[in-house]
Amino acid sequence: GDSVTQMEGPVTLSEEAFLTINCTYTATGYPSLFWYVQYPGEGLQLLLKATKADDKGSNKGFEATYRKETTSFHLEKGSVQVSDSAVYFCALGDGGSNYKLTFGKGTLLTVNP
Amino acid sequence: NAGVTQTPKFQVLKTGQSMTLQCAQDMNHEYMSWYRQDPGMGLRLIHYSVGAGITDQGEVPNGYNVSRSTTEDFPLRLLSAAPSQTSVYFCASSRAGVGVQETQYFGPGTRLLVL
Repeated sequence: GDSVTQMEGPVTLSEEAFLTINCTYTATGYPSLFWYVQYPGEGLQLLLKATKADDKGSNKGFEATYRKETTSFHLEKGSVQVSDSAVYFCALGDGGSNYKLTFGKGTLLTVNP
Repeated sequence: NAGVTQTPKFQVLKTGQSMTLQCAQDMNHEYMSWYRQDPGMGLRLIHYSVGAGITDQGEVPNGYNVSRSTTEDFPLRLLSAAPSQTSVYFCASSRAGVGVQETQYFGPGTRLLVL
C-alpha cells in the first residue's frame, strides 16, 4: 500500500538557518503530494502541495519539488524564523481512491532565536 | 466562515463509557473525514464520508461509528471507550475527496483520554 517516510526529528535550528526535511513516498499511480504544518495546540494547515511530477509547491518561503524519479518531496526553507516552530507532515493523496490521505509520522521543528 | 469546528476540546472518559465527538463545517463541503493522531504515528484515517447519507471505513475504524445526516455535520461515536482510544482526534473537510487540487481543512482537534 501507499506509504510516506519522513525524516525523524526533532530538528533544532537557529534563526536564519537553512531547513531541509526529507520526505519519500511509495505509491501506485500518480499521487498528489502535500506538506501540512501543525502549530502548537492547533489543527493541521496545508502549507503547500504539488499535483504532478516536477511541480514545485511554495508558500511562506517554503518550497518542495515533486521528484518522481526519486519518489521524493523534500521541504526546504532558506532562512527559518522562530515562528516556523511546528510539526511538519508530509502526505500523499491517493490518486486512485481519492478518499485517503496517507501521512508521514511528522517532524518537530524548533527554531531558537 | 467558522471553517471546521470540533467539540469538545478535551474529554476524559472511563473505560466502557460512550461519547460523541462533534464536527461541523460551514463551507458546504461534500467530503468529511475523521483522523486520529498518536505520537510517532502521524495521522490515521478512521472514517470518511463523500456526502450526506454516505459513509465508509478508513484504515482504523474498529470501535468507532459515524453517520452523515446533513452536509454540515459528521459526528464520531465511541460506543464503549477503551484506553487504546486515547488520542487526539481531527475532523477534516474538502470540496471533493483528497485528490488533485483539493485542500483538506482541519478542525482544531479533540483530545481524548480514556482511563
